[in-house]
Amino acid sequence: SQLAEENPWALSVHEGESVTVNCSYKTSITALQWYRQKSGEGPAQLILIRSNEREKRNGRLRATLDTSSQSSSLSITATRCEDTAVYFCATAKNNYAQGLTFGLGTRVSVFP
Amino acid sequence: GGIITQTPKFLIGQEGQKLTLKCQQNFNHDTMYWYRQDSGKGLRLIYYSITENDLQKGDLSEGYDASREKKSSFSLTVTSAQKNEMAVFLCASSIVAGGNQDTQYFGPGTRLLVL
Repeated sequence: SQLAEENPWALSVHEGESVTVNCSYKTSITALQWYRQKSGEGPAQLILIRSNEREKRNGRLRATLDTSSQSSSLSITATRCEDTAVYFCATAKNNYAQGLTFGLGTRVSVFP
Repeated sequence: GGIITQTPKFLIGQEGQKLTLKCQQNFNHDTMYWYRQDSGKGLRLIYYSITENDLQKGDLSEGYDASREKKSSFSLTVTSAQKNEMAVFLCASSIVAGGNQDTQYFGPGTRLLVL
């Protein structure tokens, strides 16, 4: 089973609407990261949220972290067509692990 | 800022061939990674390197070799391509070596198809 899992698998919205992707993880963490991967590109980090933070913002993006339920969410407000991408949450097996473990991703489609 | 360049962008090979993928970064990062991305399976770590001439196996190293002859470059070799194999290989680099706070910067990927 995955160390981190996003849900839903896919969703679609119209431009201007808000969208939320959820992530559940299975290990004690010091931080969790959200990445976005557009078609034909590599993933790019959006937000890194540390275990002592409950919320973090980056422009139209807002990430939350609940360590008691081992869950996180990423919300995008005022969506644009260019937000169409696969969104991943990522973490590491432990603080000394090399490389991140990514979930399978949520495919978000934003239509005009 | 910096950039990660991966070559080639597309690679078509035949069963049994040895195929080499290259990655260059100008971030001056110490740590570099190779991931494989299959449809529906997320990213899986193949090899990583924490410094020049260092090589460490990831979860998916069988069937691959890697080489880090310079700090800025990291190569991956598919030792024997498997028929009908299709995947994207992603190279990444980072400043901090390891853990949850390891922000990784990715290249655009090399798309492999084996006929």
